[in-house]
This record gives sequence, structure tokens and C-alpha cells, in this order.
Amino acid sequence: RKEVEQDPGPFNVPEGATVAFNCTYSNSASQSFFWYRQDCRKEPKLLMSVYSSGNEDGRFTAQLNRASQYISLLIRDSKLSDSATYLCVVNKGNNDMRFGAGTRLTVKP
Amino acid sequence: DAGITQSPRHKVTETGTPVTLRCHQTENHRYMYWYRQDPGHGLRLIHYSYGVKDTDKGEVSDGYSVSRSKTEDFLLTLESATSSQTSVYFCAISESGTAGNTIYFGEGSWLTVV
Repeated sequence: RKEVEQDPGPFNVPEGATVAFNCTYSNSASQSFFWYRQDCRKEPKLLMSVYSSGNEDGRFTAQLNRASQYISLLIRDSKLSDSATYLCVVNKGNNDMRFGAGTRLTVKP
Repeated sequence: DAGITQSPRHKVTETGTPVTLRCHQTENHRYMYWYRQDPGHGLRLIHYSYGVKDTDKGEVSDGYSVSRSKTEDFLLTLESATSSQTSVYFCAISESGTAGNTIYFGEGSWLTVV
């Protein structure tokens, strides 16, 4: 079983739609959590950190459920520019970051 | 954009030849990392460095060695390349380790071993 599991998608949604991605992790001692965005043939870039209380950045909302070892990302009012692969990242500590394989999103006009 | 330069960006090499990938940063960050990314696997840590001459192994270090003789440069060497090392390699940096800190990635090096 992979340490970080994501639905690979692809998710194909129309502009303006709300879409949610889920991620589960296996190590209950994991310390911090992130969502990264990766465009095709580009490097990953930090989208947002994920806090236990949940956090929002504009149209993006991230949630963490430590008891269920589950992380989510909600994108509201999808834009064409949101098309990318979204990587769930779990920091186990001691410089050991584990990346999910990513969920691909395509937003269509 | 973080000041990270990877070279070469693209390389095709033959099985059994040595290959060195270079990562150069202008941010003076203490931590540097080498990851590989393969379909279905996500990014996996190969080696990382927490200072000049200080390195440690990551999740998939077999077949790779690294060196860091200067703060700004982190070299990844495949002593004898194999087809299983065909991948995209990303260098990354962080100011003070990954605990709660953002890591920034270079643009990637595409390596094909034939």
C-alpha cells in the first residue's frame, strides 16, 4: 500500500463547477500536510498548507482529518487555469516528504 | 521563482555510462534535495543535503550518489546508468528543512537511458 493515496482522475469539469479531491495517508505520526500544483512538464509548486482547523485561500479550501488520516482539497468556481495535476504531500518529519501520485484536473469551457 | 537551475535539462545516455546532474541555487538555502518522478509513483526522495558535505539517503537511493562541496551546488551522480533510472529528476531547496517549511523545486531534468 502506498503511503499517500490519491484518486488519479482525470476529473473533467466545466468552468464554474466545484470539484473536490481526496487523499489518504498511512502514517498516523505525520506532522504536516500540503497541496502542490503541477502543470504539465513543469515543476510542482506549493498551492497551500493544510491545517487541522481547515483553511481557505480564495476559491480553494483544504481540510485535514487526523483521526481518519484524510486530506481534502475543494476548488470552487473552477477556472480554465485550474487545469493541472494536484499533489497531496505529507511530511513525516526528518525531511521525509511523501508525495501522492497526483490527481489530474481538466476544466473545460 | 526560486533561484534554482538544473543542468542538463534533457539528456539521453546509454546503459552503463555515468551521468551527473547538477543543481545550482542562488537562495543560500541550507537544505537541498533530489527527487525522481515516475508515472503512478509521485515524487520520491533520492538523497538530500543539510549542509556542505552533509548528505543523507532518501527513499530510493540505490544506484545514486550525491555530493555537496559548496552551499549553492548539489550534484546527483548515476555511476552506471540503467534503464530503470529513466525518469524526470527534480532538485528542490528549503531554508530550514521540510518541517512546516515550503520546499521549492527546480524545473526538472529529463533523463532517458537507452
